[in-house]
Amino acid sequence: DTAVSQTPKYLVTQMGNDKSIKCEQNLGHDTMYWYKQDSKKFLKIMFSYNNKELIINETVPNRFSPKSPDKAHLNLHINSLELGDSAVYFCASSSMQGLQGAFFGQGTRLTVV
Amino acid sequence: QKEVEQNSGPLSVPEGAIASLNCTYSDRGSQSFFWYRQYSGKSPELIMFIYSNGDKEDGRFTAQLNKASQYVSLLIRDSQPSDSATYLCAVLPSGGYNKLIFGAGTRLAVHP
Repeated sequence: DTAVSQTPKYLVTQMGNDKSIKCEQNLGHDTMYWYKQDSKKFLKIMFSYNNKELIINETVPNRFSPKSPDKAHLNLHINSLELGDSAVYFCASSSMQGLQGAFFGQGTRLTVV
Repeated sequence: QKEVEQNSGPLSVPEGAIASLNCTYSDRGSQSFFWYRQYSGKSPELIMFIYSNGDKEDGRFTAQLNKASQYVSLLIRDSQPSDSATYLCAVLPSGGYNKLIFGAGTRLAVHP
């Protein structure tokens, strides 16, 4: 199936731990994103990569480090997890610099306890 | 002022009626405008995009854009209970390639 897929779907971890979320798209898009959706359902951009190059970093704490090994993959590593990091993290991809919208993965629900 | 504003709702409409969802944006130079639907516990799904003033129709959905008023709307004709979801308005701001900005969403409830 053509899609944006991210793993894992659920992640429960303790404060202070380090965790990673992986994302892959097979839509042939050149831009990938990480969005965070908080408990109030507000969807906020964190990072954007275009052809493996970081384009947008929206004042995200440097505990969050994205990595794009190629234009079909974008991973998110989070160090020293805090309670406030609990949210749903969505990976997305687009072509044409987002002019026709972005397509989202199924999300990773991160719970920090 | 928030960049993209939507009424949080819930907007309650009877089955078969027209649901009208509205969105305003602050950046006058914004490029493209999007409507997403998000069911509870699911990911946002792109319904439509529009970038020219006027109306764009796709099945039961019509997007309307008025750049002078910085206003974009989504009409859902013949609303069905399966349309009950949160509708997110998103904007691609001027010079903001690779940066979709979302509103907080409007929750729509279609009752039989």
